[in-house]
Formats: sequence, C-alpha cells, structure tokens
Amino acid sequence: DAKTTQPPSMDCAEGRAANLPCNHSTISGNEYVYWYRQIHSQGPQYIIHGLKNNETNEMASLIITEDRKSSTLILPHATLRDTAVYYCIVRGGTSGSRLTFGEGTQLTVNP
Amino acid sequence: DAGVIQSPRHEVTEMGQEVTLRCKPISGHNSLFWYRQTMMRGLELLIYFNNNVPIDDSGMPEDRFSAKMPNASFSTLKIQPSEPRDSAVYFCASSLGGEANYGYTFGSGTRLTVV
Repeated sequence: DAKTTQPPSMDCAEGRAANLPCNHSTISGNEYVYWYRQIHSQGPQYIIHGLKNNETNEMASLIITEDRKSSTLILPHATLRDTAVYYCIVRGGTSGSRLTFGEGTQLTVNP
Repeated sequence: DAGVIQSPRHEVTEMGQEVTLRCKPISGHNSLFWYRQTMMRGLELLIYFNNNVPIDDSGMPEDRFSAKMPNASFSTLKIQPSEPRDSAVYFCASSLGGEANYGYTFGSGTRLTVV
C-alpha cells in the first residue's frame, strides 16, 4: 500500500473550515484514499473514502487531485468536538487489503 | 445497531496471568480485525479474520498471543502469559467484506495494564 504524508499538527478556529492535507504520491490506480479520526481514548472513527472523484457526506468532504497524488479532507464548520487525530490511509484495491495507520495529524479546534 | 462491542473496557492484571479480550462484531460483517495501540508504535494490526478464518496473523507479536473466532458473532484475543510490555489499548474492528471499498467499524477498545 502507498505511503502517506501528513503534517503532524494543525490548528483551526471553531466555526471555520478545517482543511487537512495528505500526500500520497506513490498511489496506484486501484487504491482508495480513506480518512479516519480518533478522538482521545476512543476507537478510530470512519469519516470518508474515495477512489478518484471528490466525495461528500454528512461529516466531511474529500477532495482528490486529478493526478491522485494528494487529497484534502475538509470539515466545513469545525467544532471543539472535532479535535482529534486524523489519519489519511491509502488502501489497496485488492480483496483482503488492510487499513494500515500512520501517525496522522493532530487537529486542535480552538474556541 | 449496537456497533462493535468489546469487553472488558479495562483490565488490570499481574504479570504471568492469562488475559482474554472479547469482541462481538456488527451482525452481518464477515471480516474482523484486532489492533493494538501504544504510544511508541501507534495502531498496529495484529490479526485479520474473514468468514471466521484467520487470514493474516503476521502482526501477532509472539506465541504468547492467540486469537480465535469460533463463530460469526464472537472473537477472543488471548495473552498467556502476560507481560508488562503488553500494556496497551486493544481494538477490535469489523467490516462488511474484505474488499477495499468497505470501511472498518471499530469498538471502544480494551485498555490492558499488566503490572
């Protein structure tokens, strides 16, 4: 599975959009981009995933560049409860591929 | 849907004792995963089951660790004998399938402390 690079930490003001970047320059054509987050002491929580197209759900939007070498997770109106570690994961397209977690980005939403 | 249920939430045991962690996956999910999280090593995949069969146990640290899935609704992770370095949070996750298009749902974890 392709390796990802994320900034170790980011800050965001409450009510503003949080844009979390992820580089995955070695991604293959059949690999998905997944985003999870982990709020302190809880299990990782699925946010969103995509293959080529931009995706949106009730939690966030995922913007994948046309060359698929990078992506951005957007939380449109961050709240204090969005403070968490956010993991960007590239997962192989074959059956049986695993979710392998890196170090992620610690997002702190400030009042 | 109650989600993935793990028990106990917290376990404190003495070195050398046997520890059993339990997991009930989401009904209908046929893939189950055990992860371990420590400050030093982050989240590590220990073992992966598909349709109750262990597919990949390459992440199991050593022979003291064993995992079983006797049926589709129950799995255990056993450590015997336990050591202080086994102290960690252990997460169980389940997925609708093994394909990459299916995300995982994680339980709340078991915090294990071995003294």
